[in-house]
Amino acid sequence: SQQGEEDPQALSIQEGENATMNCSYKTSINNLQWYRQNSGRGLVHLILIRSNEREKHSGRLRVTLDTSKKSSSLLITASRAADTASYFCATDEAGGGNKLTFGTGTQLKVEL
Amino acid sequence: DTGVSQDPRHKITKRGQNVTFRCDPISEHNRLYWYRQTLGQGPEFLTYFQNEAQLEKSRLLSDRFSAERPKGSFSTLEIQRTEQGDSAMYLCASSSRGGPSVYGYTFGSGTRLTVV
Repeated sequence: SQQGEEDPQALSIQEGENATMNCSYKTSINNLQWYRQNSGRGLVHLILIRSNEREKHSGRLRVTLDTSKKSSSLLITASRAADTASYFCATDEAGGGNKLTFGTGTQLKVEL
Repeated sequence: DTGVSQDPRHKITKRGQNVTFRCDPISEHNRLYWYRQTLGQGPEFLTYFQNEAQLEKSRLLSDRFSAERPKGSFSTLEIQRTEQGDSAMYLCASSSRGGPSVYGYTFGSGTRLTVV
């Protein structure tokens, strides 16, 4: 089953603009992670934020976490055509047994 | 190559046939996961190994599905009597002793199964 819902399902922006994707989830978590998937390929781990953290940065990525609202956002700044991919949030549920539960994903298209 | 390897990349099979997929995780990783992903959806958990022990199986893993990880190294996922609904991307991932809570997963490129 899918833990999270991501919003929007699809996003199209111009190169250089910022892209924001949101993830909502249902249960208590240990941490939340974001992954990128290029078409027809495996997923690549981008960033992990723990339940006691509110914000984290990695390069052009900024992730926020609001455990009271059970939501997270991923911001990609100064987007590039190479950022075109699907982005998934994944939750490590408290008591969930050492596995990740993935959301439904946001398809990002960055146009030149 | 130090990544997660999956073989084959693509498999087309006739309904009713058996198929087997292989996953070679990162050698230092003791945890290995199988997920299934259908078009437009996120990966769904199938099963998880710590070393050679299969610690959890999803309800998605019907009796036709079996997974093994002999000697705690590579893993195989077998689907017997395939059905068209089994068509999907089968993803393998591994993680280190700290588990996904510390470092997340490293995924393979997946095996795309098409049942005709």
